[in-house]
Formats: sequence, C-alpha cells, structure tokens
Amino acid sequence: AQSVSQHNHHVILSEAASLELGCNYSYGGTVNLFWYVQYPGQHLQLLLKYFSGDPLVKGIKGFEAEFIKSKFSFNLRKPSVQWSDTAEYFCAVNAQGAGNKLTFGGGTRVLVKP
Amino acid sequence: DTGVSQNPRHKITKRGQNVTFRCDPISEHNRLYWYRQTLGQGPEFLTYFQNEAQLEKSRLLSDRFSAERPKGSFSTLEIQRTEQGDSAMYLCASSSGTERNTEAFFGQGTRLTVV
Repeated sequence: AQSVSQHNHHVILSEAASLELGCNYSYGGTVNLFWYVQYPGQHLQLLLKYFSGDPLVKGIKGFEAEFIKSKFSFNLRKPSVQWSDTAEYFCAVNAQGAGNKLTFGGGTRVLVKP
Repeated sequence: DTGVSQNPRHKITKRGQNVTFRCDPISEHNRLYWYRQTLGQGPEFLTYFQNEAQLEKSRLLSDRFSAERPKGSFSTLEIQRTEQGDSAMYLCASSSGTERNTEAFFGQGTRLTVV
C-alpha cells in the first residue's frame, strides 16, 4: 500500500521568503504525484502534477515541484511567497492503473505574514 | 459553476441517526470518489465508482456506510447509526476515466458533526 509523508505540519514565513515543503512517498511501483492546495474556506485545488517526463514540474501561481525518483520525493517550492499563499498544502500519490485513487499526506499549514 | 457539487455543506446530527450526503460530479466524468478528512489530517480514501459500478471500498468503510451511484451520475453516501467518531469532512471528487492519467476535481465537502 502507498503512504505519503509530509515533513512539516506548520510553516510560518514572511512575504517574499522562499518556501519548500517536503513530501516523501512509499510505493514500489510507478506513481503519479500531485500537490493540492486548500485555501481557507475553499475546496481542494490542484497546484501541479507529475505523470511522466521532465521531473521538474511547474504549476500555477509560481509553484514548482521536483520528482526525485531515487529519494521517493516530490518537494514543492516557491521562490517568493505572498500573503495569499496562506493555505494548507497536501501532497498526494496514486499508483498508475489504480483508478486514480489518491493517497494523501497529512498536510502542511502555511501561514505567510504580511 | 460546473464543478463538483456536494449537499448539504453542513450536517449536525444526533448519535444513532442516519444521514445521507449527495455528490454531483462534473458531468462528463465517469469516475467518482469519496474521501473523509478529519481535523489535522489529509483526506482518506473511502470508495470509488466507475460509472455505476463501485470498484473499490476502503477498510475505513464500515458496514454502517453505504454508497451508491445508481445511474452513473450523482452519488449518495449514507451513514447509518452515526457515532461521534464519524464526525469529519466528507469529500467527493470526480475524474475522467477516458485518459490514462487524469486529475481529480474536488467538491467543497460536507461537514458532519455527530453530537
């Protein structure tokens, strides 16, 4: 069975600081990888996804993530955060061919101070 | 809004009562998923449908839980004899099964509080 681990539960940083959120997964087969974001009071929205190809994936709102297969990692980064990036971020994986069922990490709450 | 729609948004019920939630997926999506999310945790998979067929159920889905998708469109999730431990956000998501690798779109969820 798959599992996903997000290293930080809470992150507090100031505007313009750089952000990196760690995500490691456990699964022996081929996976698809996702980062979802949940802004306060809103539904989960997809930030970016990796299916195959270039391991450096660019998503919306200036976010990117790098898939490192040897480390089973898919860390999320943003060079300069804004107050509007305050949200909860979830890493998720699904095993290819498993019907798109997602296994989520526990989430990281990010608070960006103005 | 043509996204995934869930009703009701909030439900407060007394322990032992039955509750039913509804999910309307994006119209062209043939896959529909239910997840449960408790405070401080990520969503956990409960079950999924391809069209009207329920293809997988998590061990989290006890006998008190049942989900249906009778015509391959909307879905309902029923919890019988609710317990306080059932209090959570219940999320529905849908995706297209026509492509090999597709993303899931989530609704805003139904927050259940069992008192």
